[in-house]
Amino acid sequence: RKEVEQDPGPFNVPEGATVAFNCTYSNSASQSFFWYRQDCRKEPKLLMSVYSSGNEDGRFTAQLNRASQYISLLIRDSKLSDSATYLCAGYSGGGADGLTFGKGTHLIIQP
Amino acid sequence: SAVISQKPSRDICQRGTSLTIQCQVDSQVTMMFWYRQQPGQSLTLIATANQGSEATYESGFVIDKFPISRPNLTFSTLTVSNMSPEDSSIYLCSVTGPGANVLTFGAGSRLTVL
Repeated sequence: RKEVEQDPGPFNVPEGATVAFNCTYSNSASQSFFWYRQDCRKEPKLLMSVYSSGNEDGRFTAQLNRASQYISLLIRDSKLSDSATYLCAGYSGGGADGLTFGKGTHLIIQP
Repeated sequence: SAVISQKPSRDICQRGTSLTIQCQVDSQVTMMFWYRQQPGQSLTLIATANQGSEATYESGFVIDKFPISRPNLTFSTLTVSNMSPEDSSIYLCSVTGPGANVLTFGAGSRLTVL
C-alpha cells in the first residue's frame, strides 16, 4: 500500500499561536489529498480537501507541494477546541481504492 | 452527506468467537469501505464492499477472516471470525462523499477480544 507519513507529535502549542505540520506521500501518482480531524474515541471527520495548489478555510490553510510530495496544514490563532489528532489521507485513483491514511499528528492546545 | 449507523458500537468478545458488525446508510451509495484502526495506529483499509459481488480485499486481509456482505446499496456487514486479542480494534464503515474521493465514516465499532 502506498505510504503516507506524518510526525505523530504531540505538538504542544499555546492558545492563540500558529501551528503547522506536514504530511509526506510516496506515490507520485496520488491525485488528491485530505486532512481529517479525529477527536478522542470518535470517528475521523473531513476537515479540508486539498485538490490542487491548496486552499484556505477560515483559520485553516492546506498546501500541496507536488514537487516535494508533501501537504501541509496551518492553523492560525489556535483554539483549545483545535486539540485533536489530524490525519492526512491521499487518493491514488483506480476507482475502487479507498483513501490511504497517515498515522496522524496529535495536537494539544494549551491555555 | 450520508448518515451512517453502525452497530454494535462496542463489544467485548471471547477468543475464538465471531462478531458481525452492521453498517446502515440513509441513502444509496456506490462505494462502501471497511477500515480498521488499531490502538495508536491510523486507519487501514480492510476491503471494499461490492454490491452483488465478492468484496475486494487489501493485502493482508482475507475473506475467511473478514467475510463481508453487501446485499444492497445501503447496507453492509463485516464479520470478524475466530477472534484473537490481536483483533481488538475499532472497525469503521465508510462511504464516498460528499465530494469526489472524500470519505464519510460511521462512528465505529470498538471491539475488545479477551
